Amino acid sequence: AQTIHQWPVAEIKAVGSPLSLGCTIKGKSSPNLYWYWQATGGTLQQLFYSITVGQVESVVQLNLSASRPKDDQFILSTEKLLLSHSGFYLCAWSLDWGADAEQFFGPGTRLTVL
Amino acid sequence: GEQVEQLPSILRVQEGSSASINCSYEDSASNYFPWYKQEPGENPKLIIDIRSNMERKQIQELIVLLDKKAKRFSLHITDTQPGDSAMYFCAVNQGGSAKLIFGEGTKLTVSS
Repeated sequence: AQTIHQWPVAEIKAVGSPLSLGCTIKGKSSPNLYWYWQATGGTLQQLFYSITVGQVESVVQLNLSASRPKDDQFILSTEKLLLSHSGFYLCAWSLDWGADAEQFFGPGTRLTVL
Repeated sequence: GEQVEQLPSILRVQEGSSASINCSYEDSASNYFPWYKQEPGENPKLIIDIRSNMERKQIQELIVLLDKKAKRFSLHITDTQPGDSAMYFCAVNQGGSAKLIFGEGTKLTVSS
């Protein structure tokens, strides 16, 4: 069975500080991976997706970047946090890259920027 | 870009009754319509989905209807229970891709 893990579980950071969030998936080779952001009380917004190592596509520009250094790892980062970066960051995966591939979410990282 | 309208934003029902949530979309190329349930502090969980080659799908008490001509789809929860209380999000794949666009969500409260 596939398992998805995100780290850290929660983070409190200062405005202007750097950030790195991680996501790993076990039990599935070459998964398609996605990053989502959810403001408190808001909807989900897809930020990035990756279908293979080293390839990341940006969906929404929020002064964030993503990388896929390994087949099972997806990293979200920024050098300078903004207050607007606060929220719930969710990594998701799908088995296939088809347009109708089911996407499953990881447990998420709750980020508070002060 | 693609917009997904989800209504109502708040829904309160009595235990045992039905609850219905409606979504509409713009992109005629969209062909995948998932529904997610999110409980407070938790991640969203895929509960049911429908593809464009179907008009109706049912999993236990969950029914999804798709009207491609009208670009509308809906979730119906029959015989609601307090455990069904949560946020529900519909989503649509933009341009037939794996980019999901989510509705604004519906907060469902089932009272006993």
